[in-house]
Amino acid sequence: QSVLTQPPSVSGAPGQRITISCTGTSSNIGAGYDVHWYQQVPGTAPKLLIYANNIRPSGVPDRVSGSKSGTSASLAISGLQAEDEGDYYCQAYDSGLSGSHYVFGTGTKVTVL
Amino acid sequence: QITLKESGPTLVRPTQTLTLTCTFSGFSLTTTNVGVAWIRQPPGKALEWLALIYWDDDTRYRPSVKSRLTITKDTSKNQVFLTMTNMDPVDTATYYCAHRDDSGGYHLYWGQGLLVTVSS
Repeated sequence: QSVLTQPPSVSGAPGQRITISCTGTSSNIGAGYDVHWYQQVPGTAPKLLIYANNIRPSGVPDRVSGSKSGTSASLAISGLQAEDEGDYYCQAYDSGLSGSHYVFGTGTKVTVL
Repeated sequence: QITLKESGPTLVRPTQTLTLTCTFSGFSLTTTNVGVAWIRQPPGKALEWLALIYWDDDTRYRPSVKSRLTITKDTSKNQVFLTMTNMDPVDTATYYCAHRDDSGGYHLYWGQGLLVTVSS
């Protein structure tokens, strides 16, 4: 029932650049709310990669970047490495008719070939 | 150093009520704009945001389960509670609690998660 849509999977060779899209609506991303991104390795809690659209927490390498435009946001990873494998989720606030709440994206599995 | 840890039953019968506890340290839930959220993840599926309680007792809930959820806090014990009624096997998931930063709705700090299985 997520209102943030992501591609199910993205893959790339080591060293390549990949992007993950997060498509929302006028009640969440399009309303101006910030988008946050997480990486999750199976069996572990999610790790914050990007907050407020394009800010990296301490310890996240600068080859990871985020952007937002209109009703969509994107996460880019350049210089792809084996450690980048995992599941990625976007998150935003939604103020739709059903009430205000946070929501996660549908998730994207990243595979390093 | 901020830490959070979930606790509660790992096996619940269908129709029963689940109560989970998040015990945290390193921050206060009396600080303006700070909050604690509950998020779950069914096996092999995506994250699902469930509920959030703010420092001022304001709450937010996932619309599809709002009627079954209650989130409360005990600031003196540094604990947040989530109650979910009428549990069903589809509610089987790993349940996480997470700190909401005072500058935005993101979660930098998470608990380790607790797998709750709903089965008769």
